[in-house]
Amino acid sequence: AQTVTQSQPEMSVQEAETVTLSCTYDTSESDYYLFWYKQPPSRQMILVIRQEAYKQQNATENRFSVNFQKAAKSFSLKISDSQLGDAAMYFCAYRSTDSNYQLIWGAGTKLIIKP
Amino acid sequence: EPEVTQTPSHQVTQMGQEVILRCVPISNHLYFYWYRQILGQKVEFLVSFYNNEISEKSEIFDDQFSVERPDGSNFTLKIRSTKLEDSAMYFCASIPRPPSYEQYFGPGTRLTVT
Repeated sequence: AQTVTQSQPEMSVQEAETVTLSCTYDTSESDYYLFWYKQPPSRQMILVIRQEAYKQQNATENRFSVNFQKAAKSFSLKISDSQLGDAAMYFCAYRSTDSNYQLIWGAGTKLIIKP
Repeated sequence: EPEVTQTPSHQVTQMGQEVILRCVPISNHLYFYWYRQILGQKVEFLVSFYNNEISEKSEIFDDQFSVERPDGSNFTLKIRSTKLEDSAMYFCASIPRPPSYEQYFGPGTRLTVT
């Protein structure tokens, strides 16, 4: 069975600085998807960024980028120019391509932005 | 932009009571999901639903839980006899078709069992 591990329960960063959130996963599959979701205090789940395992190029979305290391089974999220609105829980999630497509979640990292 | 909606936003119920949580997925979506998040913990998969039947369920989804899509639009999660440990945020999600990348999440229903 696949597992997702986020080893940082909490991270803090100064506003405008860069922060990296870690995620590792375990799978025997070669094709899958990886996601980062943001959960602000409202508890709504918001997709931040996704990565297809077959793509070597790291995904980027504005200030958000990933470092996808398939051999190491690592999928970290880098947030550049951190803003107060980035403060939230961040969840890493894995999705198989040959199941019923449900997400397997990490435990989350609470990101604190210091003004 | 189409979105997944969930009602109610907050439900308070007494232990032993039945609750029904409602979701309206995006209209052309085909796969539907329920997830649970106990406060301060990770999100857990409960059940997936496709072609009007359960396609997969987790160990959490025992006989106390059921899902249905009664009218082709609503997607409901019923808990027959709630327990204190059912208190959690319940999220509904859907995808249009595999291998669509993104699951579209509703805003969640906070269930409080007293």
